[in-house]
Amino acid sequence: AQRVTQPEKLLSVFKGAPVELKCNYSYSGSPELFWYVQYSRQRLQLLLRHISRESIKGFTADLNKGETSFHLKKPFAQEEDSAMYYCALSGHQAGTALIFGKGTTLSVSS
Amino acid sequence: DTGVSQNPRHKITKRGQNVTFRCDPISEHNRLYWYRQTLGQGPEFLTYFQNEAQLEKSRLLSDRFSAERPKGSFSTLEIQRTEQGDSAMYLCASSLALTGYGNTIYFGEGSWLTVV
Repeated sequence: AQRVTQPEKLLSVFKGAPVELKCNYSYSGSPELFWYVQYSRQRLQLLLRHISRESIKGFTADLNKGETSFHLKKPFAQEEDSAMYYCALSGHQAGTALIFGKGTTLSVSS
Repeated sequence: DTGVSQNPRHKITKRGQNVTFRCDPISEHNRLYWYRQTLGQGPEFLTYFQNEAQLEKSRLLSDRFSAERPKGSFSTLEIQRTEQGDSAMYLCASSLALTGYGNTIYFGEGSWLTVV
């Protein structure tokens, strides 16, 4: 069965500290993995996808097929990174509905 | 284009009443999705359309729920005989289906439903 697991409900760090938001998945096939972010009072929006292999707002994520993980990392957290982060999975066919994890709240304090 | 638009943004209804939500996707997008989100949970997939065809429905979509996209543009989600357990945020999203990878799904701000 398709499943996305985010083990941490809340992650609290100080400004400037490294951040790692964990995501593990279960999927029989070649999934596409995403991170979505929801800032306070804003809509859910795409942060990054594993296909792009890019860094957005200093965040990166590497797909590890052996460990079935797609952890989100940032070397130095900023207060504006405080938000809810969702890991999501899609099948290999374009347009297949996303399956989301339960989300992790990141709180960055000064 | 202002993105995916949903109406109403908030709805309070009495148990047993019917409610309908509307979603206007990004204009050139051919795929439209409905999700439900409750507190402490990630969005849960309900159904999606490609143009006017409803291609997939989740088992979460009970017989009281019906979704339509009559002309392949806007969509409606109707909940009949609402129950308190239907209280949630209903999210609409759209995308432009392409072959292979690279399909970004854009979300609306959601419609909050409270059943009292």
